[in-house]
Amino acid sequence: EAGVVQSPRYKIIEKKQPVAFWCNPISGHNTLYWYRQNLGQGPELLIRYENEEAVDDSQLPKDRFSAERLKGVDSTLKIQPAELGDSAVYLCASSFNGNTEAFFGQGTRLTVV
Amino acid sequence: QKEVEQNSGPLSVPEGAIASLNCTYSDRGSQSFFWYRQYSGKSPELIMSIYSNGDKEDGRFTAQLNKASQYVSLLIRDSQPSDSATYLCAVNKGGYQKVTFGTGTKLQVIP
Repeated sequence: EAGVVQSPRYKIIEKKQPVAFWCNPISGHNTLYWYRQNLGQGPELLIRYENEEAVDDSQLPKDRFSAERLKGVDSTLKIQPAELGDSAVYLCASSFNGNTEAFFGQGTRLTVV
Repeated sequence: QKEVEQNSGPLSVPEGAIASLNCTYSDRGSQSFFWYRQYSGKSPELIMSIYSNGDKEDGRFTAQLNKASQYVSLLIRDSQPSDSATYLCAVNKGGYQKVTFGTGTKLQVIP
């Protein structure tokens, strides 16, 4: 069974440019998470979806970040415009539901220069 | 007080010894607890989940949960150099609440 798939694996952009990340969760998983992880820190939740509904986006910087999960499957996370402080690893995870264990994709390492 | 606290380490143990990793959490209503292993430059990998008080064993790994004292621990028996990684504790309040991660404990197993 395929795991959570993310792309791209790495992205280097100049500040003020837009960037987008894509995630394909494990088949049958209704819950999808986007996390951001800075060096030496644990993952921090940005947004959680239950099917196509964003049920927790309290930590998402809405002035520059947006996300969508069309048809309750794939999801994209966008940053526009990117800032230097956005450099981090962006992790997508999925779980069967919001109470069960989550499985992570490989992550996207973003560097903003 | 942080929601989930872990000692950042590094915790160094000799090969073959038992490594003990601890995690405390602040919300008494927490119901689900997870341990993830994260190698440098890689994404977190689920090792164990535990939902009720007591011990849960899986191979060389044992998770221990004590809700009264609000801590969860991970024991790794017969530690191997390949166990060297950062171990993340994650806590879920349940009822479709968010999962909160600790900052992780770095484990070094010395050959």
